[in-house]
Amino acid sequence: KAGVTQTPRYLIKTRGQQVTLSCSPISGHRSVSWYQQTPGQGLQFLFEYFSETQRNKGNFPGRFSGRQFSNSRSEMNVSTLELGDSALYLCASGLTMRETQYFGPGTRLLVL
Amino acid sequence: ELKVEQNPLFLSMQEGKNYTIYCNYSTTSDRLYWYRQDPGKSLESLFVLLSNGAVKQEGRLMASLDTKARLSTLHITAAVHDLSATYFCAVDLSHSRSGGSQGNLIFGKGTKLSVKP
Repeated sequence: KAGVTQTPRYLIKTRGQQVTLSCSPISGHRSVSWYQQTPGQGLQFLFEYFSETQRNKGNFPGRFSGRQFSNSRSEMNVSTLELGDSALYLCASGLTMRETQYFGPGTRLLVL
Repeated sequence: ELKVEQNPLFLSMQEGKNYTIYCNYSTTSDRLYWYRQDPGKSLESLFVLLSNGAVKQEGRLMASLDTKARLSTLHITAAVHDLSATYFCAVDLSHSRSGGSQGNLIFGKGTKLSVKP
């Protein structure tokens, strides 16, 4: 069974630009969560989706948004990028929100 | 704010030695995960501990959960170099509706383990 996939794997952007990251969950999984990982702040929760609905949202500014499609694939968007948005963005999927979450390889974003 | 504290944050040990990583958390939960992360890589699920007193073992790693003490441990037996990585514990709040803006998985800061030959 294929694991969680994330695209792109690496991304370089400049301040002010916007970016869209994609996550394809494990087949059959309907829950998708997003996390931001930085050396200083560690792993911080961004959003959680289940059945195309956002169930939880972390304490991030409105520049961070996301959505989930009917096939459970999810995207997150960051607008007006700032230097501090440089991070590893991890997506995790689970059968439901209460089942083990399996993480994808991540998208490493560098904002210059 | 709900907190998950791991200690130590850095651990340097010699091959063949034993050591324990501790994970304390500040809220009620009966489910806890341990993950491993290699440099530049994603998180790999190691153990899921589902109830008080749960103990899981895989190779040289053994994890346990004491929900009354709000404590989980990850014990390393006879460490080998291949175990060098960062280990995270994560408390699952999905059963208690306490996730909210912190989400359902609250992670510790991680323990960076370096095993030297």
